[in-house]
Amino acid sequence: EDKVVQSPLSLVVHEGDTVTLNCSYEVTNFRSLLWYKQEKKAPTFLFMLTSSGIEKKSGRLSSILDKKELSSILNITATQTGDSAIYLCAVGHNAGNNRKLIWGLGTSLAVNP
Amino acid sequence: EAQVTQNPRYLITVTGKKLTVTCSQNMNHEYMSWYRQDPGLGLRQIYYSMNVEVTDKGDVPEGYKVSRKEKRNFPLILESPSPNQTSLYFCASSSGTGFSGEAFFGQGTRLTVV
Repeated sequence: EDKVVQSPLSLVVHEGDTVTLNCSYEVTNFRSLLWYKQEKKAPTFLFMLTSSGIEKKSGRLSSILDKKELSSILNITATQTGDSAIYLCAVGHNAGNNRKLIWGLGTSLAVNP
Repeated sequence: EAQVTQNPRYLITVTGKKLTVTCSQNMNHEYMSWYRQDPGLGLRQIYYSMNVEVTDKGDVPEGYKVSRKEKRNFPLILESPSPNQTSLYFCASSSGTGFSGEAFFGQGTRLTVV
């Protein structure tokens, strides 16, 4: 069965800490891995990864895909209270004639001042 | 401003009373989808549409209907809502197939069926 597993499920850190969130997957016909941030309501896009070993970076956030290990990490350096959110990982794959995203359950990050 | 607009944001209804949640996007996206989000189950796709008049079932389509008569609109219809459809619903659109690029989400509709 296709699945996406995120770890940890929940994390509490202090401002200034660096965090690493994990996403592992088992899917057929992998196409891409996407990271989203969900604060209060709608998820917002962070990164899309398709190639192994190429880091995507945006400010204090960065992410990399390891296709050999079937996983990705999302790093946040110098965390701020505004980083508190649920971080969602989704994997896109071809399933027969369908093209679908499979979502992980998310990692809930709380950054305390 | 690029956006996906869902209405209503909150809805409380009774079992069996038909309802429609509207979704509209202004980005000329081909791909649109509906998700429901439940604690411990994450985001699950209900239906998706790859273009006008082309719709297909996602992972949890039972009890829902959709239509795509125009590119910008993708309403979600619950013909006879039941309490197990109480959930947070999201509409999303993207220019690709949903995994080839950024998806834009609506602000969500919190539905309670009593």
